[in-house]
Amino acid sequence: GAGVSQSPSNKVTEKGKDVELRCDPISGHTALYWYRQSLGQGLEFLIYFQGNSAPDKSGLPSDRFSAERTGGSVSTLTIQRTQQEDSAVYLCASSSLAGGLADTQYFGPGTRLTVL
Amino acid sequence: AQKITQTQPGMFVQEKEAVTLDCTYDTSDPSYGLFWYKQPSSGEMIFLIYQGSYDQQNATEGRYSLNFQKARKSANLVISASQLGDSAMYFCAMRTFNQFYFGTGTSLTVIP
Repeated sequence: GAGVSQSPSNKVTEKGKDVELRCDPISGHTALYWYRQSLGQGLEFLIYFQGNSAPDKSGLPSDRFSAERTGGSVSTLTIQRTQQEDSAVYLCASSSLAGGLADTQYFGPGTRLTVL
Repeated sequence: AQKITQTQPGMFVQEKEAVTLDCTYDTSDPSYGLFWYKQPSSGEMIFLIYQGSYDQQNATEGRYSLNFQKARKSANLVISASQLGDSAMYFCAMRTFNQFYFGTGTSLTVIP
């Protein structure tokens, strides 16, 4: 079966523009996660969805960041008025939630965002 | 506050030797899960191994084992019989109720 897919794979935008990043999880996976990985850094947790709802949005860096998930499947991460510090690789992961704390996340290939 | 600490930015190991990648964590939750992921140069994160906070035995998955020392809050990854394909970034991660934390990673290079 298909893994987690993300689009676009690369996005170059100008400072101040809005961008939308898309994540298509593994079919049937209940949970979906967004992370940000800046150059040479670990992963920064942004938000996760259980079904269509996000229990905790406190990981989003600022109110310019928002995310939604509809139909329990595809998710979109939107960054408004992009800044140069938003440049990073944005990774999406999904999981079945069947394992509780042991629940394994499967990652997509990421979207590399460059803000000029 | 830093929840996951990986103090080795880079490590080298001879092919066929064993290597230990260090990870310490910080949480007051009694229930948590610890994970190791591998990130090759291609960029995708690959799950390697999991250890639960209540697990009595250290987790093992093939050549990977997790040395879990709960009192010291450490969860070191041991890779036995290193192979050239093991060269990658390795991330330690922790999950608590609704939060997920990753360390800054260790870059492992396997030398032929």
